[in-house]
Parts: sequence; C-alpha cells; structure tokens
Amino acid sequence: AQSVTQPDIHITVSEGASLELRCNYSYGATPYLFWYVQSPGQGLQLLLKYFSGDTLVQGIKGFEAEFKRSQSSFNLRKPSVHWSDAAEYFCAVGARGQGGKLIFGQGTELSVKP
Amino acid sequence: DAGVIQSPRHEVTEMGQEVTLRCKPISGHDYLFWYRQTMMRGLELLIYFNNNVPIDDSGMPEDRFSAKMPNASFSTLKIQPSEPRDSAVYFCASSHSGQGTEAFFGQGTRLTVV
Repeated sequence: AQSVTQPDIHITVSEGASLELRCNYSYGATPYLFWYVQSPGQGLQLLLKYFSGDTLVQGIKGFEAEFKRSQSSFNLRKPSVHWSDAAEYFCAVGARGQGGKLIFGQGTELSVKP
Repeated sequence: DAGVIQSPRHEVTEMGQEVTLRCKPISGHDYLFWYRQTMMRGLELLIYFNNNVPIDDSGMPEDRFSAKMPNASFSTLKIQPSEPRDSAVYFCASSHSGQGTEAFFGQGTRLTVV
C-alpha cells in the first residue's frame, strides 16, 4: 500500500537550534517527494521537491531535504530555526506527471521556543 | 498569476443544506484536485480532473458529494445534503502535467456544518 509516515506529531525546538523532521514513504513506483508547510488558517506552501538527480535538495526559507532510497526516507532539515518557522509540516509522495495527486503524511507540528 | 483562488473562505451552514465550494485554478494548469483536511484523517484526496474530465473520484466519501469542472478555469465541489461530519477544510489545488511540476494549493474553505 502507498503511504507516508511522519513519526513525530509534535516537535519543539529552541530558536537557533537545528531541526530534522522525519518522513518515510511506501510507494510502488519511483516517487516524487515533497515537503509542504502550513501556517494556521493558511493553505499549503511548497518548501521543496525531489524528482530525480542530486538526492540533497534545497528549498525555500533555508530548508533542505535528503532522499535516501535505501531507507525510503525524505527527511527535512534546517540548520538554525527561526521563530517564524513554527507551523505544520507535511511530507507527501506523488506520481510522475501527476504533480498534484499526492499522498500526505499526518503532519508534524513544529513549535519554536524563544 | 494570483494563484489558486477558492471561495468562500469560510462557510457555516445548517445540517441538510446544500453547500457549494468554488475553485479557480492557475491559468494553464491542466490538473485540478480537491482535498479535504480533518483532524482525524489528515489531508485526503477527494477527486481530481485532467483537462476538465474527472479522472478519479474514489476519494469522494459519499454520493452526497459531487464535483464538476465545466471549463478550464472553474470547478465546484457540492455537498447535498450536508452533515456535521462534513465539517473540514477543503482545499483546491492545480498543477501542470509536465515533468517536474508540483501542486499549488488555494487558501482553503473552512466548512462548518451545525
């Protein structure tokens, strides 16, 4: 079955600390992988995506993610978190050529301590 | 481009009433997706269209739900009759079928059925 697992429902980090959000997927074909961020009352904004090539992808707002095929993982990282990064983060997997037909993880809510 | 535009942003209706949600995709996009977000089930795909044709409606929860896309710039999601368990945030997203594209999401419609 196709699925995305985000093991951490809620994470709290101190401002300036590093961040890693975990994502594991199960997908029959070669996946397209995405990280979206959702601020309260807002829609989903794309942080970054992986389609092929370099397995370390850079996104907006200083985020990066690494695709590890052997581990079926696509973890999101940021070296230094800012208070404005507090939001909910969703990992998603999709099929080639159908960029919007996505299976989402349950999301990880990030809180940032001053 | 103004992005994906959804209306209304908020809708409160009484049980049994008909509700219509609207979406204007990004110009030039040939895929349109309707998602629903709830605390219990997270983000789930309801239905999607390609070139205005419904491709997969297996995510539509019941016959009370219907969606149409009469032209490339407009889609509706209708619930008739509405029930309290339909309360959720409904997102519309659009994408282009070319390789390497992602879905762009609207701001969502928060539906409350009382």
